[in-house]
Amino acid sequence: DAGVIQSPRHEVTEMGQEVTLRCKPISGHDYLFWYRQTMMRGLELLIYFNNNVPIDDSGMPEDRFSAKMPNASFSTLKIQPSEPRDSAVYFCASSFGTIYEQYFGPGTRLTVT
Amino acid sequence: GQQLNQSPQSMFIQEGEDVSMNCTSSSIFNTWLWYKQEPGEGPVLLIALYKAGELTSNGRLTAQFGITRKDSFLNISASIPSDVGIYFCAGEGPISSGSARQLTFGSGTQLTVLP
Repeated sequence: DAGVIQSPRHEVTEMGQEVTLRCKPISGHDYLFWYRQTMMRGLELLIYFNNNVPIDDSGMPEDRFSAKMPNASFSTLKIQPSEPRDSAVYFCASSFGTIYEQYFGPGTRLTVT
Repeated sequence: GQQLNQSPQSMFIQEGEDVSMNCTSSSIFNTWLWYKQEPGEGPVLLIALYKAGELTSNGRLTAQFGITRKDSFLNISASIPSDVGIYFCAGEGPISSGSARQLTFGSGTQLTVLP
């Protein structure tokens, strides 16, 4: 079975541009998580969904960040406008029936210049 | 910010040696998990612990859920080169009223295995 799929794997953009990161969770999983990883702050939960409904978005940095899950097999994380401090690796993860055993995607490395 | 203290921050060991790392918190956690991350990849779940005092093994890996529910440790026996990576602890919590359940991750232990 395919694992969590993320695209793109790498994104380089200029400050002020809109960035959209995409995630396809493992089929049948009902939880989907978005994380951000940086050297300074480690792995931080941004938002997670259960059955396509956002449950906790307290980790979303500010209004420039938004996430959607229009159906069980697709989610997006959008940053508009992007800033250099948004540079990080963004991970999507999914799990079935529980928040515990999360399967992570390979990540999207975002660089904002 | 994170509420889990993971140590050591990095380790350099010889192949064949045993490794021990731990994770502590000032708050009680319901569940402890250990993940491994290799360069360019996402974290991979190694072991999940659900009960205080629980000791669980996965091959050469052994992890324990501390009896106080505020700590956990991971041991790797007879290390091999492919054990290289960053090991993260994660806990569900800390427990607080009104908060949604989520995993909190430690800052990671970078393990290097020397031949």
